[in-house]
Amino acid sequence: DGGITQSPKYLFRKEGQNVTLSCEQNLNHDAMYWYRQDPGQGLRLIYYSQIVNDFQKGDIAEGYSVSREKKESFPLTVTSAQKNPTAFYLCASSMINGNSPLHFGNGTRLTVT
Amino acid sequence: QQQVKQSPQSLIVQKGGISIINCAYENTAFDYFPWYQQFPGKGPALLIAIRPDVSEKKEGRFTISFNKSAKQFSLHIMDSQPGDSATYFCAANAGNMLTFGGGTRLMVKP
Repeated sequence: DGGITQSPKYLFRKEGQNVTLSCEQNLNHDAMYWYRQDPGQGLRLIYYSQIVNDFQKGDIAEGYSVSREKKESFPLTVTSAQKNPTAFYLCASSMINGNSPLHFGNGTRLTVT
Repeated sequence: QQQVKQSPQSLIVQKGGISIINCAYENTAFDYFPWYQQFPGKGPALLIAIRPDVSEKKEGRFTISFNKSAKQFSLHIMDSQPGDSATYFCAANAGNMLTFGGGTRLMVKP
């Protein structure tokens, strides 16, 4: 089955630790995205990438980093600089051509204490 | 700055009723308006979408109404069912980038 796999589903970390969230897709999509979801705030874009080895900051990139070494993979690192990291993180992918729908993974819920 | 405003934040509808969710936007460069449906613990999934050159699009029980002059669009769910209980997001696209509304949590009571 084609789709997007995010792992793990739940992640717990201590404050001050960096943590990396995995996102893999087998849809052959060029573009990949990371969103953060908080209650009542919708989906906010963290980073996106339209081609391997290139990525751009979204609206809330501070405290996060990404890499795109392979077309299929777009891991997100939540660094200790992120002031409020506890959230639900969603990875998505799409084709590049106009108005291609986003395909989302099932998310990773990160809790930092 | 929220470029797409969605209301209401939550909605309770009786089974068989009509659910209506509204969105408004400011950026006239938006050229594609999808709606996503999200069940708890899952990622959002595309439900229905519309382009600004049409005023209405219907797929089964789901209808998008679009008012270009007012810069507003809405989702209507006819004959709402308990299985429709989910969070709904409107979105607007410009330059291959989606801007999402804040979401509406819909509960359909049996």
